[in-house]
Amino acid sequence: EAGVAQSPRYKIIEKRQSVAFWCNPISGHATLYWYQQILGQGPKLLIQFQNNGVVDDSQLPKDRFSAERLKGVDSTLKIQPAKLEDSAVYLCASSLVLWTSGGISTDTQYFGPGTRLTVL
Amino acid sequence: ELKVEQNPLFLSMQEGKNYTIYCNYSTTSDRLYWYRQDPGKSLESLFVLLSNGAVKQEGRLMASLDTKARLSTLHITAAVHDLSATYFCAVQFYFGTGTSLTVIP
Repeated sequence: EAGVAQSPRYKIIEKRQSVAFWCNPISGHATLYWYQQILGQGPKLLIQFQNNGVVDDSQLPKDRFSAERLKGVDSTLKIQPAKLEDSAVYLCASSLVLWTSGGISTDTQYFGPGTRLTVL
Repeated sequence: ELKVEQNPLFLSMQEGKNYTIYCNYSTTSDRLYWYRQDPGKSLESLFVLLSNGAVKQEGRLMASLDTKARLSTLHITAAVHDLSATYFCAVQFYFGTGTSLTVIP
């Protein structure tokens, strides 16, 4: 089974430039997540999609970050304009949606290799 | 906002020794995850703990969950060098700060 794919793997840009990251989740996984992992910290959720709808984007800096998942499969995360503090690894993850008697839940997340962004 | 705390943040241990990593979280949750991250790599799922009293074991690692205490532990038995990595616990989509484990020969 193919894993979560991300590209590019590395990106170096200057501050105030724009950048976009791409993610293709595991086939059949309805839920897709974007995380930001700053060096030495745990991943921080930026946005969660279920199919092509946004479930949670409360921690997404919407003045500069945007994300979309138009056809409910792959997704793009964009930063415009980038700041020095955006230097981090951007991780994409996907999971199945579980339907239980207690309500909707999500299964284990499977992470992609990440995109390492350096803003100079 | 849900808070997830791990301790210790850094752990250096000798091969063959036992140790426990602790994960505390601030609100009730029906599941807790443990992940491993090797340097420069992505996260790999280790355990999913689904209920109070749940215990799971894989090789030298054993994880447990106490939902009443909002506490999970990751116990390492007879550590080997291959276990050197950073270990994260996560509740819902909130991750702890990670525990960087170094096993010394």
